Amino acid sequence: DIVMTQTPLSSPVTLGQPASISCRSSQSLVHSDGNTYLSWLQLRPGQPLRLLIYKISNRFSGVPDRFSGSGAGTDFTLKISRVEAEDVGIYYCMQATQSWTFGQGTKVEIK
Amino acid sequence: EVQLAESGGGLVQPGGSLRLSCAASGFTISSNYMGWVRQAPGKGLEWVSVIYSGGRINYADSVKGRFTMSRDNSKNTLYLQMNDLRGEDTAIYYCARFWPDSGCLDYWGQGTLVTVSS
Repeated sequence: DIVMTQTPLSSPVTLGQPASISCRSSQSLVHSDGNTYLSWLQLRPGQPLRLLIYKISNRFSGVPDRFSGSGAGTDFTLKISRVEAEDVGIYYCMQATQSWTFGQGTKVEIK
Repeated sequence: EVQLAESGGGLVQPGGSLRLSCAASGFTISSNYMGWVRQAPGKGLEWVSVIYSGGRINYADSVKGRFTMSRDNSKNTLYLQMNDLRGEDTAIYYCARFWPDSGCLDYWGQGTLVTVSS
């Protein structure tokens, strides 16, 4: 199985400041079809999991542009340009190149 | 609007059985890939099973032979029959829709809690 490792596991952030989460996979996520199936999910209290980013850097419908994704191969990053109160929650990376596996989750909280 | 709603969770003794349901609205499950994902207390997300639009089903090794995924197209509902439950099956169980062109789970339900304990 592909192991997904996120850092940090906890990220206290000041409102209006940026936040960054790293996700590293144990092997390349480049699929034989040439795509890289790396996505980011958000879990907010009392809400269902929400897709934020797919195929490394594509924002899903309705996702604010303060969220961005980047990376390639085995190293990926989710950035929030200016954290807002509604961004508090747990963020997961997920790969679907070979079966489905998830990172451990990164808790974003306000300082 | 796409919505998924799980039900059927609860407390069950080790060795017991439970059937989870996931009612879908806003789209047709038979035309989509659908999956179950679980999260044990204090642990990360773990893929459980997937049903492809053609009906083929795959399971994680941890549940193979004990869990059975199915769907009722007339009710637009997904099921997960869980037998021979163990303590390590205690988790929140989520159903989600898989978007194959983009390789991601684009819509999720709120989840239903399954607790396996004597």
